[in-house]
Amino acid sequence: DAMVIQNPRYQVTQFGKPVTLSCSQTLNHNVMYWYQQKSSQAPKLLFHYYDKDFNNEADTPDNFQSRRPNTSFCFLDIRSPGLGDAAMYLCATSDRAVEQFFGPGTRLTVL
Amino acid sequence: AQSVSQHNHHVILSEAASLELGCNYSYGGTVNLFWYVQYPGQHLQLLLKYFSGDPLVKGIKGFEAEFIKSKFSFNLRKPSVQWSDTAEYFCAVSNAGNMLTFGGGTRLMVKP
Repeated sequence: DAMVIQNPRYQVTQFGKPVTLSCSQTLNHNVMYWYQQKSSQAPKLLFHYYDKDFNNEADTPDNFQSRRPNTSFCFLDIRSPGLGDAAMYLCATSDRAVEQFFGPGTRLTVL
Repeated sequence: AQSVSQHNHHVILSEAASLELGCNYSYGGTVNLFWYVQYPGQHLQLLLKYFSGDPLVKGIKGFEAEFIKSKFSFNLRKPSVQWSDTAEYFCAVSNAGNMLTFGGGTRLMVKP
């Protein structure tokens, strides 16, 4: 089945230790998104790629970076995770039809 | 900037009760409207969407929503809930740029 896959599902890192979360899609969608969702809150858009064009939300901290080496893969890099970065990170994709398809998320714990 | 308000943060219902979850948005232009559901431990799934046409939209699992443009509302309804409907429900809006803005979510608990 075509889908959005996120690895790992659970990630534990130490305060200040860089971490990378990955997302892949078999939908061949041209847009990929990264959201942060903290407990009992709505998903908050961090950034998105429209094809290779990177679009950062104005309030996304510099600590968060992203890479999209090809259509299928997108990575979220957190350079120096703080305790406040513990959250669920959601990847989503869409084509020009607007509807977004979400992956299962990666739950990040920062010790 | 667009915003979405979900007024009910927590809702508790008994099985077979009717459900209505409120969603209001603020945006002056053309919008696309969505309801997503997140079951415990699972990913966000689309329940239904409105782009244009009939303002009464039917989605999966017996859910429906009505777009009332004059009230900037897109309320979610289900005539008879089941225990399996226990989940968190998010209303979302996108504009021409296709960026989603989510409401704060409503956590629904259905008692068997």
